[in-house]
Amino acid sequence: KNEVEQSPQNLTAQEGEFITINCSYSVGISALHWLQQHPGGGIVSLFMLSSGKKKHGRLIATINIQEKHSSLHITASHPRDSAVYICAVRYSGGGADGLTFGKGTHLIIQP
Amino acid sequence: AAGVIQSPRHLIKEKRETATLKCYPIPRHDTVYWYQQGPGQDPQFLISFYEKMQSDKGSIPDRFSAQQFSDYHSELNMSSLELGDSALYFCASATGDSYEQYFGPGTRLTVT
Repeated sequence: KNEVEQSPQNLTAQEGEFITINCSYSVGISALHWLQQHPGGGIVSLFMLSSGKKKHGRLIATINIQEKHSSLHITASHPRDSAVYICAVRYSGGGADGLTFGKGTHLIIQP
Repeated sequence: AAGVIQSPRHLIKEKRETATLKCYPIPRHDTVYWYQQGPGQDPQFLISFYEKMQSDKGSIPDRFSAQQFSDYHSELNMSSLELGDSALYFCASATGDSYEQYFGPGTRLTVT
């Protein structure tokens, strides 16, 4: 079964800390998304990656295709960063073109 | 910038009723994806359309059907609703030559 594994499942940190969320997947992909979801809210796309690294403000996303692994980093974390962060992949090789989602990382940043 | 629009945002139905959810993609986007997120669950891919044709099918129940219209908006039709259909239904849009999906705010369906 094609799976997307995220770690940690839950993360509580103090304001200002550097945050890392990890995602690994089992087979080849054509794209990997990092998404943000606030409680009861909609999904916001943060990044889409197929290689390398992307940066947007305090957020950085990296992907290592060979190791089938991606990380999302948040620098100078802030309470407003508290949300669920979801890794989702689009598998290559003729698989479904819809995304397969990880179970999310629940992040709480305490002031 | 224009975003993906979904309507209604909230819907309450009784068991065995039908529901229709609508998704309006970003202008010039020709691809629509539908996802279902049950309470406390990760989203699951239901179905997708590209240029008004069904592109791929995920875990969509036989009681559900969907289509994409000439203006690229899409509708998800749900019949014989069950309590387990209560969920947040997202659609996402994309251009056919890009993997980047833009998500709508979702429709929260409650079946009582």
